[in-house]
Amino acid sequence: NAGVMQNPRHLVRRRGQEARLRCSPMKGHSHVYWYRQLPEEGLKFMVYLQKENIIDESGMPKERFSAEFPKEGPSILRIQQVVRGDSAAYFCASSPETAGNTIYFGEGSWLTVV
Amino acid sequence: AQSVSQHNHHVILSEAASLELGCNYSYGGTVNLFWYVQYPGQHLQLLLKYFSGDPLVKGIKGFEAEFIKSKFSFNLRKPSVQWSDTAEYFCAVNARSNTGKLIFGQGTTLQVKP
Repeated sequence: NAGVMQNPRHLVRRRGQEARLRCSPMKGHSHVYWYRQLPEEGLKFMVYLQKENIIDESGMPKERFSAEFPKEGPSILRIQQVVRGDSAAYFCASSPETAGNTIYFGEGSWLTVV
Repeated sequence: AQSVSQHNHHVILSEAASLELGCNYSYGGTVNLFWYVQYPGQHLQLLLKYFSGDPLVKGIKGFEAEFIKSKFSFNLRKPSVQWSDTAEYFCAVNARSNTGKLIFGQGTTLQVKP
């Protein structure tokens, strides 16, 4: 049973470009979460999605960031017009539908903005 | 608002020493509690979790944690550390009704000297 798959693992973007990070949840998991880990900090919740629905985006920056989890295909975290401060590790996690279950993390996507 | 505090930011131990990492949380309701480990360049792995029942929880790799409700604490322990335990350790909490939205502590870096 494959774990949470994220790609790319490492992404370098110039300031002003767009970054797209993809996440395929574990098989049988319908809930996806995105977290961001800035250097020297813990993980911060960004957004919680189910298929075709954003459930909680209270941790998302107001501008330039968006997330989706379409009916088919992986979840996408999109960052438009990246700035140096967006450089971070972005972790995706997934969980089954049943409440009370543990979430499982992917290996992360490291974004570097130059 | 929920918050998690990890008392030790950087811990250095010799092999075979005992380990205790502190974690305190603030939240008035019923919570689930977690410890995750992050080895260098890797994703977060679940060490152990507490949902209910016996407050002394045993996890993988010889780790255990004790939930003390009156102290809002969930400290991580291991009787004898190994060099391979060198990693960053994160305590996390979520409200019982909000499965995947974890609040993380800032992390503790453990360095075990051979």
